[in-house]
Amino acid sequence: LAKTTQPISMDSYEGQEVNITCSHNNIATNDYITWYQQFPSQGPRFIIQGYKTKVTNEVASLFIPADRKSSTLSLPRVSLSDTAVYYCLVGDIGYKLIFGSGTRLLVRP
Amino acid sequence: DTEVTQTPKHLVMGMTNKKSLKCEQHMGHRAMYWYKQKAKKPPELMFVYSYEKLSINESVPSRFSPECPNSSLLNLHLHALQPEDSALYLCASSQAGEGDEQYFGPGTRLTVT
Repeated sequence: LAKTTQPISMDSYEGQEVNITCSHNNIATNDYITWYQQFPSQGPRFIIQGYKTKVTNEVASLFIPADRKSSTLSLPRVSLSDTAVYYCLVGDIGYKLIFGSGTRLLVRP
Repeated sequence: DTEVTQTPKHLVMGMTNKKSLKCEQHMGHRAMYWYKQKAKKPPELMFVYSYEKLSINESVPSRFSPECPNSSLLNLHLHALQPEDSALYLCASSQAGEGDEQYFGPGTRLTVT
């Protein structure tokens, strides 16, 4: 499973767009990129998953360049309730989720 | 119903006790998972059940014993735990497992004294 590298923490302000980048230089051909969000004392929650180019859903966008060695989770117009840990996971389609260390996002008023 | 429930929410047990954690889902999912999460660390996979059969055991010590009585229920039996086993234990489920989104429960906060 490919190792991922994310910033340990990020700060933002309400209403701003936040972009969290994840590096995965050893991504394999079959690997997908998935992001989860976790609030304190809660289980992680699926945000978005993609293989290449751009994926968008109602809460986020995921940008994946052609070489797939990195990906960027984009959260539009964050609010205080988006303060959480965001995990980038890379792996082939299968049962195992291997979580990296995650990015702690703090949204300030 | 898109909820995974876990009981109890909190559990304090001694090193000689036997206890069980329970997880339930009614989404018709056929894969269920146990994770362990220490404070300020990412979740670590422990076990995966697929169609009620144990398919992955991540070299977890035998003092943790999983059980899947039916497709909706997942138990984790605990015996002779150590203080370092204190953690948040998370249960998750997914449709059929293969790359599907995993739905997590709120976890059981376990303290071993």
